[in-house]
Amino acid sequence: QKEVEQNSGPLSVPEGAIASLNCTYSDRGSQSFFWYRQYSGKSPELIMSIYSNGDKEDGRFTAQLNKASQYVSLLIRDSQPSDSATYLCAVIPGGADGLTFGKGTHLIIQP
Amino acid sequence: KAGVTQTPRYLIKTRGQQVTLSCSPISGHRSVSWYQQTPGQGLQFLFEYFSETQRNKGNFPGRFSGRQFSNSRSEMNVSTLELGDSALYLCASSFRGVTRDTQYFGPGTRLTVL
Repeated sequence: QKEVEQNSGPLSVPEGAIASLNCTYSDRGSQSFFWYRQYSGKSPELIMSIYSNGDKEDGRFTAQLNKASQYVSLLIRDSQPSDSATYLCAVIPGGADGLTFGKGTHLIIQP
Repeated sequence: KAGVTQTPRYLIKTRGQQVTLSCSPISGHRSVSWYQQTPGQGLQFLFEYFSETQRNKGNFPGRFSGRQFSNSRSEMNVSTLELGDSALYLCASSFRGVTRDTQYFGPGTRLTVL
């Protein structure tokens, strides 16, 4: 069973601080990794994709990948109340069988 | 460019019935994937269609089936509905496929089975 694990939260972070979201995956053959954001009652939207070890930055968001530790993280700098949502980690496992999602971390940014 | 559209947005069915959901991808996208989202299991991959062929399949029973038309529109069918099939069904489209390109999700169809 190819699994993606996330802490369900809620993770509460003060406005302006850094929010750190973590994800681990079980399939060592995984090559592609994604972070989606899902607001309550809405569909997921892609925030970041990362394919190689290291950091990838896009605005206030930084994705970090460590394949040796099978670990992906998402940092949100200068957190805003509008960042309050569920963040889903998704992985394409070895072999083409679609995206495997974690159950998501519920993030709350406190004004 | 118009996004992914799904119809209907809400459905109420009873056990034993069957249901068909529709998805229209972003113009030019040839891949359509379907997902089931429930509070307990989260978001789970059902299957992917590319150029009218099922290319990938998740771990769901044969009651869940789909097809894709020549214009890339896709339908998903669930037969002999069970209470546990109540979920948000999401469709996502991409140009080259789920393992190759960013997927864009539609708004979903909320299915309630009574």
